Amino acid sequence: GEDVEQSLFLSVREGDSSVINCTYTDSSSTYLYWYKQEPGAGLQLLTYIFSNMDMKQDQRLTVLLNKKDKHLSLRIADTQTGDSAIYFCAETPLWNQGGKLIFGQGTELSVKP
Amino acid sequence: GAVVSQHPSWVICKSGTSVKIECRSLDFQATTMFWYRQFPKQSLMLMATSNEGSKATYEQGVEKDKFLINHASLTLSTLTVTSAHPEDSSFYICSARGGGSDTEAFFGQGTRLTVV
Repeated sequence: GEDVEQSLFLSVREGDSSVINCTYTDSSSTYLYWYKQEPGAGLQLLTYIFSNMDMKQDQRLTVLLNKKDKHLSLRIADTQTGDSAIYFCAETPLWNQGGKLIFGQGTELSVKP
Repeated sequence: GAVVSQHPSWVICKSGTSVKIECRSLDFQATTMFWYRQFPKQSLMLMATSNEGSKATYEQGVEKDKFLINHASLTLSTLTVTSAHPEDSSFYICSARGGGSDTEAFFGQGTRLTVV
């Protein structure tokens, strides 16, 4: 079955870069996503990457995909206190015609001033 | 991005009563809606997938008679927690997709259910 794993916590200082890592097991994944969840709120899509790409950059966000190792990372440059939240990676396996998302358990990012 | 509105944002109910949560797509037609449950400090667990006009597909281990899902129109899906018990207390989140699996799914803000 499919499985998505993330480290649970990350603490950085304001202005530093944050790197949040994710591993997945399903090699047929078509799309991989990063979502942000602030306390008591729903999920906000930050960025996504198609499985035939290695890297995607969007302003302060850089997504790296190592398909061989099934490893996905999200780098946030110049991390701000407003970036403090829980970050989820998610995948959509190829076989999943319904398009449901398989989520990791989330990484809580704490940004200290 | 498109807007998905969930209502209510929070609800407290007594054990044994039923609670209905609404999920509306405000500016697009949602052909598929998903209902998730999230426990504190944990990931989202998919409960069911619903397509407009057809019966919902429930994930393994989710009681369909307890969590009733209706997707009667292209802009509204409802989740009814029947005969709620304290263990049903959780954060419920819906998401809606307007097209195929390669289109973005937009999430509602979630509903905090507390059963006392």
